Amino acid sequence: KAGVTQTPRYLIKTRGQQVTLSCSPISGHRSVSWYQQTPGQGLQFLFEYFSETQRNKGNFPGRFSGRQFSNSRSEMNVSTLELGDSALYLCASSFRTGRLNYGYTFGSGTRLTVV
Amino acid sequence: AQTVTQSQPEMSVQEAETVTLSCTYDTSESDYYLFWYKQPPSRQMILVIRQEAYKQQNATENRFSVNFQKAAKSFSLKISDSQLGDAAMYFCAYRSAMGENNDMRFGAGTRLTVKP
Repeated sequence: KAGVTQTPRYLIKTRGQQVTLSCSPISGHRSVSWYQQTPGQGLQFLFEYFSETQRNKGNFPGRFSGRQFSNSRSEMNVSTLELGDSALYLCASSFRTGRLNYGYTFGSGTRLTVV
Repeated sequence: AQTVTQSQPEMSVQEAETVTLSCTYDTSESDYYLFWYKQPPSRQMILVIRQEAYKQQNATENRFSVNFQKAAKSFSLKISDSQLGDAAMYFCAYRSAMGENNDMRFGAGTRLTVKP
């Protein structure tokens, strides 16, 4: 069973540019969550998508957005990049049930560096 | 809001010895799940162990076991017979079982070093 696939693994962007990151969840998982990981702030929740609908959103500015396609693949976009957006972006898929009794399976992340 | 606290930024253990990583959490809910994740230098977060709050029995996975104290809101991870491959960042996490909009909350992490 293939794991969670995130692309690309590394990205270097310039301030002001925009970036799109991709995540393909485990087959059968319809829930995809995104996290930003930095040394100072740790793991911070960005948003969760389930069946193409955003179910939950963290406390990030509107420059951060996402979407999910009918095949459950998800993308997140960051516009007008700032230096502080440099981070490891982790995608996690889960098999969502009524009681949310399963943990996440994470991808290897995308390391974004903004210069 | 639920918060997770890991009070040990770094821990060290000798190979083959036992180490315990601490985690406390704050919640007013009674139905939730607790997790320990391991993040090696390869960056991928790997699920180590999962505990359901309504189960009193502590979860175990081979060399990994937890001490779940619900009243004290404590969830420590014990690693027995430590191996060099156990060296990593370990994150404690909480996820509510109530409602639909529940993200997973993580502690700040504990960096575990294993000495040969």
